[in-house]
Amino acid sequence: GENVEQHPSTLSVQEGDSAVIKCTYSDSASNYFPWYKQELGKRPQLIIDIRSNVGEKKDQRIAVTLNKTAKHFSLHITETQPEDSAVYFCAADNAGNMLTFGGGTRLMVKP
Amino acid sequence: GAVVSQHPSWVICKSGTSVKIECRSLDFQATTMFWYRQFPKQSLMLMATSNEGSKATYEQGVEKDKFLINHASLTLSTLTVTSAHPEDSSFYICSARGHISTDTQYFGPGTRLTVL
Repeated sequence: GENVEQHPSTLSVQEGDSAVIKCTYSDSASNYFPWYKQELGKRPQLIIDIRSNVGEKKDQRIAVTLNKTAKHFSLHITETQPEDSAVYFCAADNAGNMLTFGGGTRLMVKP
Repeated sequence: GAVVSQHPSWVICKSGTSVKIECRSLDFQATTMFWYRQFPKQSLMLMATSNEGSKATYEQGVEKDKFLINHASLTLSTLTVTSAHPEDSSFYICSARGHISTDTQYFGPGTRLTVL
């Protein structure tokens, strides 16, 4: 089955700096890669996703890149703000369109 | 659009009782619903996948007789934790996927279950 690894597990940045979170996956058949943001005690919120026919996607301060050959994808947040502080999860789909989640990254943006 | 609700948001029960959690898609028809469990500071672990009108598919290690899932309509799925024990205490989150965007999952707000 699919295996998704996510790094780092914690990330602390200064407000205004960029943050990068990386994920690798094992199933070459995966073709959908969403990123979720989860604040403490709340539901995961989809913030951006990318499909395998695209190498990069950007939405304001958030961008995701995908390298299908290397089987890794990354989340980039620029000009970080304190409200970006949360746990971020990457995920990859597999057979049956089920999502396998990475272990999560706790992002802390210091004002 | 794509709103998923979950009820109750939190529940405390005695060991041995059963707890039912409802997951509803409010503004779209959910052809597939997923149930996840999340322990503190951990990732989301898929428990089962349910398609409307058919039996749920459980992940390895998840007891289907303990975690009963019903997906009777395109907007409602229920998870019943039978004979709950303290080790079942967790954050249970459902997600729903519609037929319009067949890969995007929208999550409910979660149910925090505490078994005494």
